[in-house]
Amino acid sequence: EVQLLESGGGLVQPGGSLRLSCAASGFTFINYVMGWVRQAPGKGLEWVSIIRSDGDGIFYANSVKGRFIISRDNSKSTLYLQMNSLRAEDTAVYFCVREGYSSGICGAYDMWGQGTTVIVSS
Amino acid sequence: DIQMTQSPSTLSASVGDRVTITCRASQSISNWLAWYQHKRGKAPNLLIYRASSLQSGVPSRFSGSGSGTEFTLTISSLQPDDSATYYCQQYNSYSPTFGQGTKVEIK
Repeated sequence: EVQLLESGGGLVQPGGSLRLSCAASGFTFINYVMGWVRQAPGKGLEWVSIIRSDGDGIFYANSVKGRFIISRDNSKSTLYLQMNSLRAEDTAVYFCVREGYSSGICGAYDMWGQGTTVIVSS
Repeated sequence: DIQMTQSPSTLSASVGDRVTITCRASQSISNWLAWYQHKRGKAPNLLIYRASSLQSGVPSRFSGSGSGTEFTLTISSLQPDDSATYYCQQYNSYSPTFGQGTKVEIK
């Protein structure tokens, strides 16, 4: 079955760290650009970060630049998001996404995980 | 960053109605635009990519049009299962952005 399965969410204090994982299955992971999109409570979707298939091209939203690190292990078909210096405004459901259709710069996401919830609170 | 503005924010329509959602970009994005359907508690679902290409498996009552800065998503005959929030997304830059969403309710 083709799927993305996120894990690693939870409750963390402001200033703390958390690492999210996304296990991919059912497709050739190394062939795809992967990323993260989040949705804060009561808000819309917000793009967070993407990483190219070879791990070379990495881009971040300004809101997380310098605090979050995206990475991937193609041998394990797994995507990661290391989140440091967490703030209350990082509270959200984090979705792992696969880029299916690209402009050559970035793309549309043809596959989404179910999401993992991160709550930043003291 | 390129700003995406959707209208309306919410709409209520009857089963069988034709529904149109508009998305405007703050600068030209050619046709690098996608539409997603998001139901509460579920993963968002890609409906349209490259402004007008229907994603595999998506019902043909969904269609997209536009280029440059103005885009529309049309549902030709609204069905009960279409109750959801719809988002546009531009991917013409290294900082993709989403619209704020349009909540579609069934009367």
